[in-house]
Amino acid sequence: NAGVTQTPKFRILKIGQSMTLQCTQDMNHNYMYWYRQDPGMGLKLIYYSVGAGITDKGEVPNGYNVSRSTTEDFPLRLELAAPSQTSVYFCASSYQGPDTQYFGPGTRLTVL
Amino acid sequence: KQEVTQIPAALSVPEGENLVLNCSFTDSAIYNLQWFRQDPGKGLTSLLLIQSSQREQTSGRLNASLDKSSGRSTLYIAASQPGDSATYLCAVRGNSGGSNYKLTFGKGTLLTVNP
Repeated sequence: NAGVTQTPKFRILKIGQSMTLQCTQDMNHNYMYWYRQDPGMGLKLIYYSVGAGITDKGEVPNGYNVSRSTTEDFPLRLELAAPSQTSVYFCASSYQGPDTQYFGPGTRLTVL
Repeated sequence: KQEVTQIPAALSVPEGENLVLNCSFTDSAIYNLQWFRQDPGKGLTSLLLIQSSQREQTSGRLNASLDKSSGRSTLYIAASQPGDSATYLCAVRGNSGGSNYKLTFGKGTLLTVNP
């Protein structure tokens, strides 16, 4: 199993640009999550999904959108990038509930 | 609102030393608590999960304790090795309403074990 994969690993955006961060898991997990981690800070939940077609907001959803059309994929969309969205983004998945989450390697995003 | 604090923010020790990392949380209504390890440029790996009804969990040289009533947990690392160098994060899962679905993370403790 590849586990949780994220692409790209690094990206630099200009203010106002849009992009999609990709996340795929091959463990047939029901739950998937997107977090952001700012320097020296803990992780904050952006969005999560409990299954295909079901998504819900976390602590810091503003400026982001998600979709979950399949069990495997959970892309995160930034529509109008702002410097405040400079962060490392982690995707995670779990079979049932927020325990025992498996994390991807992260995407480091810089908005200039 | 749950808040998780980890002390110290950074710790440097010589190889072989036993050490303790601390985690405190403001709301004792938790379902469980986890300790994670994060290596530079990598995602998180779960080390230990303690249910709210448990007092401690052990895995190899790691031992985590939980005192829910006082809102504290410790991670004890015995006979530290350079390979233990990483950031250690504590996270709690709430047990009521909207807090049940998510983990609240501390900022982490950056551990450096010197050869």
